[in-house]
Amino acid sequence: TQLLEQSPQFLSIQEGENLTVYCNSSSVFSSLQWYRQEPGEGPVLLVTVVTGGEVKKLKRLTFQFGDARKDSSLHITAAQPGDTGLYLCAGAKANAGKSTFGDGTTLTVKP
Amino acid sequence: DAGVTQSPTHLIKTRGQQVTLRCSPKSGHDTVSWYQQALGQGPQFIFQYYEEEERQRGNFPDRFSGHQFPNYSSELNVNALLLGDSALYLCASSLRASETQYFGPGTRLLVL
Repeated sequence: TQLLEQSPQFLSIQEGENLTVYCNSSSVFSSLQWYRQEPGEGPVLLVTVVTGGEVKKLKRLTFQFGDARKDSSLHITAAQPGDTGLYLCAGAKANAGKSTFGDGTTLTVKP
Repeated sequence: DAGVTQSPTHLIKTRGQQVTLRCSPKSGHDTVSWYQQALGQGPQFIFQYYEEEERQRGNFPDRFSGHQFPNYSSELNVNALLLGDSALYLCASSLRASETQYFGPGTRLLVL
């Protein structure tokens, strides 16, 4: 049973387009992380969101944590080929130690 | 400031063999977690070490074991390898009280 569902699974867009990917769960998390992973490499942390309703911006990337802390979204404005990669969300529960990952959204941005 | 490092980068083994993977955490971190990432899937939690003890464990058989050393580095051991153990093995480090983990580049294990 996948606790974190990410959608869409695959997304292919042209350079300059905007996109949103989603991370949904029936569980409440005390924090949620977004990572970007390139083939054969480890995930690289993009952001951690902690407060329900929180919005964080990282250049052209906007991350939002749902009010109930069960879901999150990542919006990319004016996507570039360098944004290509696997975007993973991971939820953590207080004092639980481990993170639970979704299966990711594979994004391809074509020049 | 070195990030998380893992060795080796790639490894090929045959069924039934044993393997040891190594991880050095990010400077200042005291907690190490290990994950298995199969092709096309997200990382799956194996276990976490803190103060040289296993603190949390995921749904993995006893063939998977680990160790943490006084300098916080860690090893992951897998015995009696199966074809299905082929995956990218990721090490992540954190501070005990932090829920944010930083990952190493991983070790790609192929079991033939």
